[in-house]
Amino acid sequence: GQQLNQSPQSMFIQEGEDVSMNCTSSSIFNTWLWYKQDPGEGPVLLIALYKAGELTSNGRLTAQFGITRKDSFLNISASIPSDVGIYFCAGSNAGGTSYGKLTFGQGTILTVHP
Amino acid sequence: EAGVAQSPRYKIIEKRQSVAFWCNPISGHATLYWYQQILGQGPKLLIQFQNNGVVDDSQLPKDRFSAERLKGVDSTLKIQPAKLEDSAVYLCASSSSLRRPQETQYFGPGTRLLVL
Repeated sequence: GQQLNQSPQSMFIQEGEDVSMNCTSSSIFNTWLWYKQDPGEGPVLLIALYKAGELTSNGRLTAQFGITRKDSFLNISASIPSDVGIYFCAGSNAGGTSYGKLTFGQGTILTVHP
Repeated sequence: EAGVAQSPRYKIIEKRQSVAFWCNPISGHATLYWYQQILGQGPKLLIQFQNNGVVDDSQLPKDRFSAERLKGVDSTLKIQPAKLEDSAVYLCASSSSLRRPQETQYFGPGTRLLVL
């Protein structure tokens, strides 16, 4: 089946630093999404991308849909302590009975030191 | 607007026992999903319902897992009998948009299952 590889697996940064993480796939997706999961909670959608090459921002977060459709990137600028959590990428393909089915990466654990 | 509700939040059982999880989606959401999240991994879709019909259950271990969504609202996920490798967080999600369900997919807090 489809697999997503996220890197890095974990990051330890100082408050105020910028963060970059990426996700690669062995196959093509037509939608890429980025989620954040806090301890004891379910994932929360941060950004959704629908077109190859698309660059989308949500506050201090910016994500890009790779041209090859096999990768995506998430950047967080000027990190703050509440950015701590696990960030997941997810891919989806439309059509048939798979509409809405998400394939998740293994996550990037972000720790921000004040 | 109330979020996705799940119960129980935690469950500890012994292997070979049975367990059931309950999910109440956001009011009016037609699509409901059950995911399994093993520690250190991303969620994996187990089953997807559209109203009370199954859309995708290709990754559901049907020899021990079952799920139903009677009346197209609440849903239950059952494991019988449980194995050690079933220890995980079971997440329920719901969405309202058939056109772009992934954009409007809201997750509940999950049920943490430990099988001893």
